[in-house]
Amino acid sequence: AQSVAQPEDQVNVAEGNPLTVKCTYSVSGNPYLFWYVQYPNRGLQFLLKYITGDNLVKGSYGFEAEFNKSQTSFHLKKPSALVSDSALYFCAVRERAAGNKLTFGGGTRVLVKP
Amino acid sequence: GAVVSQHPSWVICKSGTSVKIECRSLDFQATTMFWYRQFPKQSLMLMATSNEGSKATYEQGVEKDKFLINHASLTLSTLTVTSAHPEDSSFYICSARDGAGSSTDTQYFGPGTRLTVL
Repeated sequence: AQSVAQPEDQVNVAEGNPLTVKCTYSVSGNPYLFWYVQYPNRGLQFLLKYITGDNLVKGSYGFEAEFNKSQTSFHLKKPSALVSDSALYFCAVRERAAGNKLTFGGGTRVLVKP
Repeated sequence: GAVVSQHPSWVICKSGTSVKIECRSLDFQATTMFWYRQFPKQSLMLMATSNEGSKATYEQGVEKDKFLINHASLTLSTLTVTSAHPEDSSFYICSARDGAGSSTDTQYFGPGTRLTVL
């Protein structure tokens, strides 16, 4: 069964500093990995996905993520965080063997302080 | 980009009544839509997968007679919470897949509907 872990419930970072949100996954086959962001009382917004190819994926709002197969990780990064990046971030994985369903991590709350 | 809308954004109802939530893909056709439920400070829980023109597939533990799903067209899926009770109060989020069902499709999410049952 596929699973996703986001080891940090919350990440605090000062505005302008680098931001990293961690994600590790477990699948039996090839993983397809996604990052979403959720603002209060809103649905999820798609940030980026890894399907194949270059391990470094660039997405919306200056975010990027690096796929690391040996460490089964897909950490989300932003070089310089903004206060407006404060939100709830979800990592998700999908594999064909699981019926193409997305499995979400528990979410990581990011708080960017001015 | 792909946009998914939900209506209503919030609803308050009395216990025992039924509530219908609509989910629309605005600029793409979605053969598959998903309904999720999210409790405060928790992740999303998949309730069911809705396929256009066929019956929905429910996840284990989700009552199909209580959460009626209809996917009548390629741009519209509805979730009806029948005989709602306070424990059904939650944030319901729909999602639509933008492709033909490939593993690489992106799922786009609606803004969510907050249901409060008194």
